[in-house]
Amino acid sequence: GENVEQHPSTLSVQEGDSAVIKCTYSDSASNYFPWYKQELGKRPQLIIDIRSNVGEKKDQRIAVTLNKTAKHFSLHITETQPEDSAVYFCGGSNSKLTFGKGITLSVRP
Amino acid sequence: DSGVTQTPKHLITATGQRVTLRCSPRSGDLSVYWYQQSLDQGLQFLIQYYNGEERAKGNILERFSAQQFPDLHSELNLSSLELGDSALYFCASSATGGALNTEAFFGQGTRLTVV
Repeated sequence: GENVEQHPSTLSVQEGDSAVIKCTYSDSASNYFPWYKQELGKRPQLIIDIRSNVGEKKDQRIAVTLNKTAKHFSLHITETQPEDSAVYFCGGSNSKLTFGKGITLSVRP
Repeated sequence: DSGVTQTPKHLITATGQRVTLRCSPRSGDLSVYWYQQSLDQGLQFLIQYYNGEERAKGNILERFSAQQFPDLHSELNLSSLELGDSALYFCASSATGGALNTEAFFGQGTRLTVV
């Protein structure tokens, strides 16, 4: 089955800097890779996703890149703001959607 | 508001007991997914139902079971509860029936505490 791993487990950046979070996956048949953001005490919400036929996708300050050969994909957040502080989960989907353990991003004002 | 409703929001019960968590998906969504979130394990996929049938299974214990009813709401049954079952249980729904390749909408979760 699918195994998704995230690293690092925590990341702290200064407000205004960029943050990059990387995920690796094991199932080469996976074709859908979402990123969910979970603020403290709230439910996970989709922030961006990418399909296996696309190498990069952008939405304002966030972007996701996919490297199918290396089986990894990354979330890029530019001009970070304190409200970006949250836990971010990457997912991989073939027959079911599984998530990594999450990365806690802290943006220092 | 995601449109996914979970009840109850909080549940406290004793070891050895059985509880039922309920989930109503977004209007029109046929798939329901259950996830367990504990501090050190992230979001663990438990099980998926599509239009009443089990579609995919994850790391769900034999003490746990689920079903989806004709009106598409789903219930997760947890029995012989142990302290380690204490966690936040999320339900999510999506329109897709096969492999999840579109946005899944999460409910607010049920916080289960086993004492």
